[in-house]
Amino acid sequence: NAGVTQTPKFQVLKTGQSMTLQCAQDMNHNSMYWYRQDPGMGLRLIYYSASEGTTDKGEVPNGYNVSRLNKREFSLRLESAAPSQTSVYFCASSEAIRGHYGYTFGSGTRLTVV
Amino acid sequence: AQSVTQLGSHVSVSEGALVLLRCNYSSSVPPYLFWYVQYPNQGLQLLLKYTSAATLVKGINGFEAEFKKSETSFHLTKPSAHMSDAAEYFCAVSRSNTGNQFYFGTGTSLTVIP
Repeated sequence: NAGVTQTPKFQVLKTGQSMTLQCAQDMNHNSMYWYRQDPGMGLRLIYYSASEGTTDKGEVPNGYNVSRLNKREFSLRLESAAPSQTSVYFCASSEAIRGHYGYTFGSGTRLTVV
Repeated sequence: AQSVTQLGSHVSVSEGALVLLRCNYSSSVPPYLFWYVQYPNQGLQLLLKYTSAATLVKGINGFEAEFKKSETSFHLTKPSAHMSDAAEYFCAVSRSNTGNQFYFGTGTSLTVIP
């Protein structure tokens, strides 16, 4: 099984450009998440989708939008990239939103905004 | 409110020595607790989780962790370190009632010295 697949793996953007990070899972999970990882700050939740058709803001949603396209896919969009959005982005999924389900993570997208 | 504190952002041990990575949590309700491992340039992988069953939890690769409610701790241990254990380790907590997101610690980087 592929698990959680993220594309692209690396991206360099200029300030003001837009892009969409793609995420797909093949485990029939209901819940999906987008995190960013920055040195010394652990992982911070950007947006999550408890189930198909729903999305909610996490801890750091400003500057981002998401789309839960279907049960498998959850995309993250940067409308106007800023240098502060330079980070490693991880998509994750879980069977459900309840706390005892662990997450399965993708391998990450390394984004640099210049 | 809930949070996770990982004591020591960097830990070095000799090959064959005991590994001890510390995690303390705060939670207003009984928590679910997790340890994840991240190898270089990869996503996070679930090592083990506590979900209110046995307080001593065994995970993959010889790791285990003990939930101590009186100390609000969930430290990760391994009796004998291997070179392959060098990685970043994250402790995470979620709520036992709704758990709509995890709260991750800032991570501990483990170095294993040959």
